[in-house]
Amino acid sequence: EAGVTQFPSHSVIEKGQTVTLRCDPISGHDNLYWYRRVMGKEIKFLLHFVKESKQDESGMPNNRFLAERTGGTYSTLKVQPAELEDSGVYFCASSNTPGQGRETQYFGPGTRLLVL
Amino acid sequence: QKEVEQDPGPLSVPEGAIVSLNCTYSNSAFQYFMWYRQYSRKGPELLMYTYSSGNKEDGRFTAQVDKSSKYISLFIRDSQPSDSATYLCAMIRHSGFQKLVFGTGTRLLVSP
Repeated sequence: EAGVTQFPSHSVIEKGQTVTLRCDPISGHDNLYWYRRVMGKEIKFLLHFVKESKQDESGMPNNRFLAERTGGTYSTLKVQPAELEDSGVYFCASSNTPGQGRETQYFGPGTRLLVL
Repeated sequence: QKEVEQDPGPLSVPEGAIVSLNCTYSNSAFQYFMWYRQYSRKGPELLMYTYSSGNKEDGRFTAQVDKSSKYISLFIRDSQPSDSATYLCAMIRHSGFQKLVFGTGTRLLVSP
């Protein structure tokens, strides 16, 4: 079974440009999460999809970030316009219905974003 | 103040040593506690999952939760060079689908 995949693995852009990150969850996983790790800080939650609906977007830093999950499969996270402080590693995780009341989130390898 | 505090390390130990990794947290609402392992250029991978206070053992790994002190630990026995990674504690308030709250992670280096 393929794991969570993310594309691109790295992205270097200039301030003011737009970047779109993509996440393909494990097949059949309805829950999809985006997290971000800024250098030197902890991994922080951005938002949570259940199928195509946003369940919790309390971690989105501002309206320059737009996440979508059309059709409830893959998800994209667009940053427009990018700022220097957006640099970091963006992780995607997915999970399915817990069989014993316990959710396991499976993480992708992350996209490393550098804004110059 | 961060919700979860974790010493970033690095923690360097010789092969075969017992490793102790720890996190403290401030929110007493946390009930489920996890340890993730992250190798370089990879995503975090779930290692241990515990509920409330007590110990849980899985092979060379033991997770310990002390809710009264708001303190969790991960012990690694007979550490191996392949255990060299960053270990992240994470926690959630209740079961079900929700965001993980992470510590910063402790980088562990096990030398042969």
